[in-house]
Amino acid sequence: GQQLNQSPQSMFIQEGEDVSMNCTSSSIFNTWLWYKQDPGEGPVLLIALYKAGELTSNGRLTAQFGITRKDSFLNISASIPSDVGIYFCAGQLTNDMRFGAGTRLTVKP
Amino acid sequence: NAGVTQTPKFQVLKTGQSMTLQCAQDMNHEYMSWYRQDPGMGLRLIHYSVGAGITDQGEVPNGYNVSRSTTEDFPLRLLSAAPSQTSVYFCASSYSRSSTGELFFGEGSRLTVL
Repeated sequence: GQQLNQSPQSMFIQEGEDVSMNCTSSSIFNTWLWYKQDPGEGPVLLIALYKAGELTSNGRLTAQFGITRKDSFLNISASIPSDVGIYFCAGQLTNDMRFGAGTRLTVKP
Repeated sequence: NAGVTQTPKFQVLKTGQSMTLQCAQDMNHEYMSWYRQDPGMGLRLIHYSVGAGITDQGEVPNGYNVSRSTTEDFPLRLLSAAPSQTSVYFCASSYSRSSTGELFFGEGSRLTVL
């Protein structure tokens, strides 16, 4: 099956810094999604991307669907303490959705 | 607005014991699924259902059974628990399997098998 490589595995940043994480695959996807998981909770959808090249923002979050359809990145600008959590990318091709291993973000006040 | 509800939140089993993780959604979603989350491995699909009476295997189905008798409920059964099944389990639902995008997740069930 398709494997998603998500990096970095973890990040420790200072409040106010920008964050960038990405996801790559050896296979193409029709949809890329980014989820966030708060401690003790289930993942919640942040951004969904449906077209190659698409750039979408949701507040301080910006995500892009790579032109090759094999990658995506997520940027968080001006991080705040509540950004702490695990961020997952997910790629969907028709009826199959695969998840990356996650990026654990720690924000130091 | 309950969304997806999972019970129990925590469970400890001995090897060989059986148990059922419950999942219920109140959004009238056709599609329901079970994932397991293990460190460094993301979320892996165990079983899924595209509607009442229909179930299918995901990426890691061995050792698990499911059934879907109603639209709302999708229980996951472990018939003979093994230490390798120690994990956090998430139930998720969406309007339909092919509706791209949003899966709604429960809060998770943390299972430890001794």
